[in-house]
Amino acid sequence: GESVGLHLPTLSVQEGDNSIINCAYSNSASDYFIWYKQESGKGPQFIIDIRSNMDKRQGQRVTVLLNKTVKHLSLQIAATQPGDSAVYFCAENGMDSSYKLIFGSGTRLLVRP
Amino acid sequence: ETGVTQTPRHLVMGMTNKKSLKCEQHLGHNAMYWYKQSAKKPLELMFVYSLEERVENNSVPSRFSPECPNSSHLFLHLHTLQPEDSALYLCASSQRSSTGELFFGEGSRLTVL
Repeated sequence: GESVGLHLPTLSVQEGDNSIINCAYSNSASDYFIWYKQESGKGPQFIIDIRSNMDKRQGQRVTVLLNKTVKHLSLQIAATQPGDSAVYFCAENGMDSSYKLIFGSGTRLLVRP
Repeated sequence: ETGVTQTPRHLVMGMTNKKSLKCEQHLGHNAMYWYKQSAKKPLELMFVYSLEERVENNSVPSRFSPECPNSSHLFLHLHTLQPEDSALYLCASSQRSSTGELFFGEGSRLTVL
């Protein structure tokens, strides 16, 4: 079951606080990055993406920051809500092609009421 | 509703059975993917079809056999599976020429007894 297997880092935040989820990517040649949210029993859903010619991009309540120097990506969620509880994955397109994504192992976000 | 539909959502099979997973996308995309998501590993790319031609086979055992009869449909034929093949199998689609965002289905949860 869920208790045996891949150990996901877990971030626990209070409802209403801001959340920051971090991701280290592997390939310095990657030029496209994307964040996905996966709720229990569902497939991953797109949240926000960013190209390597940018270092910040904002969406509705979410911001993605890209630091190419240290190969680091972060997702900031403002005013976190219970519906934000999920596993969050970052992905990069790697060096082979632009249409194939390589996923990280994910971070579980738990929102305390 | 993501525009990518997978059936069945749940499947239990014995090691000697033959079964198939089906994926249909209604987004007009020209690339389709199979990913495996297990408790022990991050999302793993299995197969990629672009314009109905297989362009990626990520060292997947031959007991998994993909089929892409047209740009809207993708199958994964299963034969003589092992218990370690139990996982969530996710189908995704994209427009090959676009930025790389994948649209995922809800997945087919496979249990091999």
